[in-house]
Amino acid sequence: AQSVTQLGSHVSVSEGALVLLRCNYSSSVPPYLFWYVQYPNQGLQLLLKYTTGATLVKGINGFEAEFKKSETSFHLTKPSAHMSDAAEYFCAHLSGGYNKLIFGAGTRLAVHP
Amino acid sequence: KAGVTQTPRYLIKTRGQQVTLSCSPISGHRSVSWYQQTPGQGLQFLFEYFSETQRNKGNFPGRFSGRQFSNSRSEMNVSTLELGDSALYLCASSLGDPPYEQYFGPGTRLTVT
Repeated sequence: AQSVTQLGSHVSVSEGALVLLRCNYSSSVPPYLFWYVQYPNQGLQLLLKYTTGATLVKGINGFEAEFKKSETSFHLTKPSAHMSDAAEYFCAHLSGGYNKLIFGAGTRLAVHP
Repeated sequence: KAGVTQTPRYLIKTRGQQVTLSCSPISGHRSVSWYQQTPGQGLQFLFEYFSETQRNKGNFPGRFSGRQFSNSRSEMNVSTLELGDSALYLCASSLGDPPYEQYFGPGTRLTVT
């Protein structure tokens, strides 16, 4: 079965430090991959997506992710964390066509002064 | 352009009752998907509707059902509520088939007592 694995349910960084959130997927076909962010009591907001083409994808709020087929990874990074980045982040990929998203378990990012 | 709206935002029901949740997609979007989010199971796909037809269904019991109207608005129904149905129910809309993005609403928080 297709799945998405996010390493680390909680990540804590200092303000200004590099943010690295890890995501690995299992799929036998090139996937469509997404990163979403969820703030408390809100829905999901799309940060970025990979479909085809350039493997380095830039998203909103300074985030980017690199698709590495050989490693089946799609890690999310941001060079300098802001306090406002504190939220839960979900990696997802489409399964079986249409709009069925398979989500990872999520990583809660804490940013401290 | 208005985003995805979900009503009600909060709901408290008693075991055995049934509930109907509503989702209004972004104008022009024809695909509506539903997801259940719980602390234990994370984000799970319920079903997707496109032009009033269910195209995809997740692994949920038959107590969970949905429908889509000609104006693309969608409803989901849960009959004979169980305590385990307490969750955040998220609706997402999309223009059509992938790789169009899915845009999420704020969710309906259902509590079953």
